[in-house]
Amino acid sequence: GENVEQHPSTLSVQEGDSAVIKCTYSDSASNYFPWYKQELGKRPQLIIDIRSNVGEKKDQRIAVTLNKTAKHFSLHITETQPEDSAVYFCAANNYGQNFVFGPGTRLSVLP
Amino acid sequence: NAGVTQTPKFQVLKTGQSMTLQCAQDMNHEYMSWYRQDPGMGLRLIHYSVGAGITDQGEVPNGYNVSRSTTEDFPLRLLSAAPSQTSVYFCASNGNNKANSPLHFGNGTRLTVT
Repeated sequence: GENVEQHPSTLSVQEGDSAVIKCTYSDSASNYFPWYKQELGKRPQLIIDIRSNVGEKKDQRIAVTLNKTAKHFSLHITETQPEDSAVYFCAANNYGQNFVFGPGTRLSVLP
Repeated sequence: NAGVTQTPKFQVLKTGQSMTLQCAQDMNHEYMSWYRQDPGMGLRLIHYSVGAGITDQGEVPNGYNVSRSTTEDFPLRLLSAAPSQTSVYFCASNGNNKANSPLHFGNGTRLTVT
């Protein structure tokens, strides 16, 4: 089955800097890769996703890139703000039947 | 729409007790799933369903049962609670019967087994 690794596990950046979180997956048949943000005590919420027929997708300060050959995808947050502080999870679908999540990255944006 | 509704929000059980975590969605979603979230381990899939009458096991199904008698409801049953089942449980659904669209999560149930 699918295996998703995520790095780093913790990330601290200064406000205004960029943050990058990387995930790798094992199943070459995976074709959908969402990213979720989870604030303390809250539910995960989708922030951006990408499908396998696209190499990059951007939504304001957030972007995701996908390299199918290398089986990795990355989340890029530019001009970070304190409200970006949260745990971020990547995920990949497993033969289209279910999702496998990475272990998460705790992002701290320091004022 | 209320989205995905989970009850209860908090629960404390003694070892060996059984209980049912409730999950309901009003978005007419075919795909529903249960995850447990433990520190440093992300979200791990317990069971999922691609439609009424259909369920399947995920990564960590032992000690849990599910059923899907209606499109709206997907309860998770703990048969005999163990301390290892102390966790936060999330129910999620998406808009088709495959894992290729965004998941909508409930607010979670925090379960403690003593």
